[in-house]
Amino acid sequence: SQQGEEDPQALSIQEGENATMNCSYKTSINNLQWYRQNSGRGLVHLILIRSNEREKHSGRLRVTLDTSKKSSSLLITASRAADTASYFCATALSGNTPLVFGKGTRLSVIA
Amino acid sequence: GAVVSQHPSWVICKSGTSVKIECRSLDFQATTMFWYRQFPKQSLMLMATSNEGSKATYEQGVEKDKFLINHASLTLSTLTVTSAHPEDSSFYICSASPMDRGYGYTFGSGTRLTVV
Repeated sequence: SQQGEEDPQALSIQEGENATMNCSYKTSINNLQWYRQNSGRGLVHLILIRSNEREKHSGRLRVTLDTSKKSSSLLITASRAADTASYFCATALSGNTPLVFGKGTRLSVIA
Repeated sequence: GAVVSQHPSWVICKSGTSVKIECRSLDFQATTMFWYRQFPKQSLMLMATSNEGSKATYEQGVEKDKFLINHASLTLSTLTVTSAHPEDSSFYICSASPMDRGYGYTFGSGTRLTVV
């Protein structure tokens, strides 16, 4: 079953703009992760945020987590055409349980 | 580190035949691996959890007799799609977590299966 719902389902922006994607989930979690997937390819792990963290940065990525609202957001700043991909949030109940993925956001960055 | 190799990357087979997909952890041991399926423009759906030395745990709605999982060693899990049909055409991805190193989950590059 799917845990998360991403919002929006699709997003189209100009290069240089910021892209914000949101994710909501249903159950308690140990951590929440964001992944990128280029069309027809495997997944690339972007960032992991633990349930006791509220915000995390990695390069042009900023992730927030609000456990009271069971939601997370991924911000990509100064987007590039190469950022065009699908982005998924995924949650895990504990350290070795399977990740449950949201439906994903398809991001298109237009040069 | 923490590399998962999946093979083949793509395969075309005829209806009624079986296809085996391999998932190897190259530089770590994985007592547990996970298999996902992804249809076009959809998200990843967990199919089963593969446990080394024991039977796999299948998600509801996934036919265990059709999707055979074998996890005979700490570095290899295989998924065999038996008597494949066109509706089994999908993108199959495995993952594992080398938790002893504190890494997140690592995914294979996926296998594109087309049944004709």
